[in-house]
Amino acid sequence: GEEVAQTPKHLVRGEGQKAKLYCAPIKGHSYVFWYQQVLKNEFKFLISFQNENVFDETGMPKERFSAKCLPNSPCSLEIQATKLEDSAVYFCASRTQFSPLHFGNGTRLTVT
Amino acid sequence: SQKIEQNSEALNIQEGKTATLTCNYTNYSPAYLQWYRQDPGRGPVFLLLIRENEKEKRKERLKVTFDTTLKQSLFHITASQPADSATYLCALARSGGGADGLTFGKGTHLIIQP
Repeated sequence: GEEVAQTPKHLVRGEGQKAKLYCAPIKGHSYVFWYQQVLKNEFKFLISFQNENVFDETGMPKERFSAKCLPNSPCSLEIQATKLEDSAVYFCASRTQFSPLHFGNGTRLTVT
Repeated sequence: SQKIEQNSEALNIQEGKTATLTCNYTNYSPAYLQWYRQDPGRGPVFLLLIRENEKEKRKERLKVTFDTTLKQSLFHITASQPADSATYLCALARSGGGADGLTFGKGTHLIIQP
């Protein structure tokens, strides 16, 4: 498709529960990125992929966060044992090598 | 450490005037700089890209300047309209493309008053 599609739009989880977010990048875009935006503050880079390979995961809290981009499947970001501080809007973006980032409209995660 | 600063206060501009937003950075040597617009409940939308060897870029009512000596970019909206009200984000990239993630500033909330 021509838009980055993120699902679900909203997700509510109790502290300690698992959360899984999905992203369908634009067809033909080889690069996928996940960002976290907390309370309208700056975007925090989490992880990037080149096709199904992790390129840069320096922003990921590795003990609880994981992400995948498998062929013929939406990309996913999973948070095990969510904490209150994980409440944020998670944005997925995709691009070709030379295009700007195309963002989805985000998934709002609320941890209660 | 690397830092991007944008006017964090809301910027109120009267309709028809030129709005000027500032992006300053430290400890970066960016290959290019981008400006994005974000509306409430939506993801950022790309507006303009300017490369390190370019001084100025224009697109319709938008103009971006890039001064690598001052480490600053200015983003101008001429003949501003209430529909221009949004948060504007400055973003820097270290390399020219690929999987190198952009680093974003916190954004400036622009309000155009009729």
